[in-house]
Amino acid sequence: KAGVTQTPRYLIKTRGQQVTLSCSPISGHRSVSWYQQTPGQGLQFLFEYFSETQRNKGNFPGRFSGRQFSNSRSEMNVSTLELGDSALYLCASSFSGQYGYTFGSGTRLTVV
Amino acid sequence: QKEVEQDPGPLSVPEGAIVSLNCTYSNSAFQYFMWYRQYSRKGPELLMYTYSSGNKEDGRFTAQVDKSSKYISLFIRDSQPSDSATYLCAMSAEDSNYQLIWGAGTKLIIKP
Repeated sequence: KAGVTQTPRYLIKTRGQQVTLSCSPISGHRSVSWYQQTPGQGLQFLFEYFSETQRNKGNFPGRFSGRQFSNSRSEMNVSTLELGDSALYLCASSFSGQYGYTFGSGTRLTVV
Repeated sequence: QKEVEQDPGPLSVPEGAIVSLNCTYSNSAFQYFMWYRQYSRKGPELLMYTYSSGNKEDGRFTAQVDKSSKYISLFIRDSQPSDSATYLCAMSAEDSNYQLIWGAGTKLIIKP
């Protein structure tokens, strides 16, 4: 059974650019969540999509956006990158949410 | 005050010891309780899942939930160096669409 796949694994971008990260959930999972993880702030929730609708949202600025497609695959976009956006971005999927989430290995974004 | 409190450690114990990891929480609506393990530069991995109060055992791991005290624990018996990782507690409620609320994570070090 394939796990949660995130692409790319590593990314280096310049301040001011935008970036799109991709997540393919486990087959059959309808919920996809995105997290930002940094050494100082720990695991911070960005947003969750369930059956193509945003179901939950964290406290991040509007530069961070996402979407989910009909096949449950999800993308996250960050516009006008700042140095502080350097982090590990994690995607997690679940069938409905209450039984826990399976995480991908993450995309490590470095903004220079 | 955070909704979920978890001592960040580090907690250092000798190989073979019994490890006790804990979280306290304030929201009495939480019904679903999870423990995740995260190795360095990897995504979190779901270790244990418990619904409502009670105990759950899986091999060397035991999860306990005491809803009356708003306190959850993870016990690791016969600890191994490979158990060295960060352990995160997470919990959710139906009335918030199962959005996971996370502890800060406890860094555990098992000394050979």
